[in-house]
Amino acid sequence: QKEVEQDPGPLSVPEGAIVSLNCTYSNSAFQYFMWYRQYSRKGPELLMYTYSSGNKEDGRFTAQVDKSSKYISLFIRDSQPSDSATYLCAMSLQGAQKLVFGQGTRLTINP
Amino acid sequence: KAGVTQTPRYLIKTRGQQVTLSCSPISGHRSVSWYQQTPGQGLQFLFEYFSETQRNKGNFPGRFSGRQFSNSRSEMNVSTLELGDSALYLCASSLGDRVHHNEQFFGPGTRLTVL
Repeated sequence: QKEVEQDPGPLSVPEGAIVSLNCTYSNSAFQYFMWYRQYSRKGPELLMYTYSSGNKEDGRFTAQVDKSSKYISLFIRDSQPSDSATYLCAMSLQGAQKLVFGQGTRLTINP
Repeated sequence: KAGVTQTPRYLIKTRGQQVTLSCSPISGHRSVSWYQQTPGQGLQFLFEYFSETQRNKGNFPGRFSGRQFSNSRSEMNVSTLELGDSALYLCASSLGDRVHHNEQFFGPGTRLTVL
């Protein structure tokens, strides 16, 4: 069993829809939780990070972490075609640079 | 501020050969991490270098090695290439502070194809 599980999709939704992406993990020692976006032929870019449990909002994006359930989510409101990409969740231990990634979910927003 | 650069962008090798990939981190960043990305396994951590020392290592065979120079530039080497080594190799740089969270910035990757 992988340390971080993420449904690879693909996920296809119409423009303007609310998108929900999520990951589960097994290592309760993870402290930092991140969401990366990766466009085709590019490296991942950080969208948001959260320390420990809680919610964080940045524009149309909201990240949630529930450490008791070992479950994290990313919500995208008013989705745009430019949001079409692969979304990767990642986690790390306190003080560590090593990131443990989920498989990535390929998302397509249809105009 | 220039981003993380990786060279070459594309590489084709045959089984048994060896390959060296290069990564130049963002100016001021002292930590460089390497990842392998494949469709089957996703992104997997190879190793991290900080101030010319390997600080962490993932579960890859000894054929995978790396080093870091005094200017923080890093190279990774794969010897005796196997077909399964075909992947996108990504490098990420950060400040490397172990107390606070540091954002890791990824380069565009090197696409390695082993024939």
